[in-house]
Amino acid sequence: GQQLNQSPQSMFIQEGEDVSMNCTSSSIFNTWLWYKQEPGEGPVLLIALYKAGELTSNGRLTAQFGITRKDSFLNISASIPSDVGIYFCAGPPGPSATNKLIFGTGTLLAVQP
Amino acid sequence: NAGVMQNPRHLVRRRGQEARLRCSPMKGHSHVYWYRQLPEEGLKFMVYLQKENIIDESGMPKERFSAEFPKEGPSILRIQQVVRGDSAAYFCASSQLQGAGTEAFFGQGTRLTVV
Repeated sequence: GQQLNQSPQSMFIQEGEDVSMNCTSSSIFNTWLWYKQEPGEGPVLLIALYKAGELTSNGRLTAQFGITRKDSFLNISASIPSDVGIYFCAGPPGPSATNKLIFGTGTLLAVQP
Repeated sequence: NAGVMQNPRHLVRRRGQEARLRCSPMKGHSHVYWYRQLPEEGLKFMVYLQKENIIDESGMPKERFSAEFPKEGPSILRIQQVVRGDSAAYFCASSQLQGAGTEAFFGQGTRLTVV
C-alpha cells in the first residue's frame, strides 16, 4: 500500500533556529496536508497544498508541493518553544473523493529555549 | 462553537471486555472518520461514515470492531472482547463536505488501555 516517509524522525533545536522537514511517497499524491500534534491532543491542520509546485505560507510556516507529486516540504522559521510537537504529512490515497487520509511517520520537534 | 467532541478521553478495559468510544462531530458536519494511532506511530484510517451509512471500512479489522453513525446522536466505535493490542489512541475527525482536502477537524482522541 501507499506509504509516506518523513525525515528526519526527530529534531532537537535551539529557539530561533529554522527547521526543515520533508515527506516522500513512492506514489503520486494530488493533495498534501501538514498537521501538528501536541501531546495528548488530536492533529491540527497547518497547511494544505493542492497543486504541484505550490508554495504556501501560514505565518512562520511554509510548505511546498513537490513537482513530482511524490514529496512535500515543511519549513518553520525562527522556531519558538510552542512549536514543540509531532509534525505529520498526510494525503488522500489516489484520486480519492473522500477525506480518508494516509499519514506519514511523523517528525518530532523539540525546541530548547 | 464546539469542536469535535470525543469521550471518554481515557478508557481502561480488562481483556475480554467491550469498549465504546463516542464522537460528536462539529455542528453541521455529516461526515465522520475514525483513525487509530499506536504509540510513536502515525494515524491509520479505520472507517468513514455518513449519517446512518458506512461508506468505507477498509481500515477496520473484520472481527470485533464495528462503527455506527445514527441519525440522532454521536458516532460510536465499538470494540468487543478487547485484547492488549487494541491499546491505542482513537481519533475521530469530521467534515462538512466530502472531498479530498476538504478540511477535516480532529477530536482530542480517546486513549484506550487494555490491562
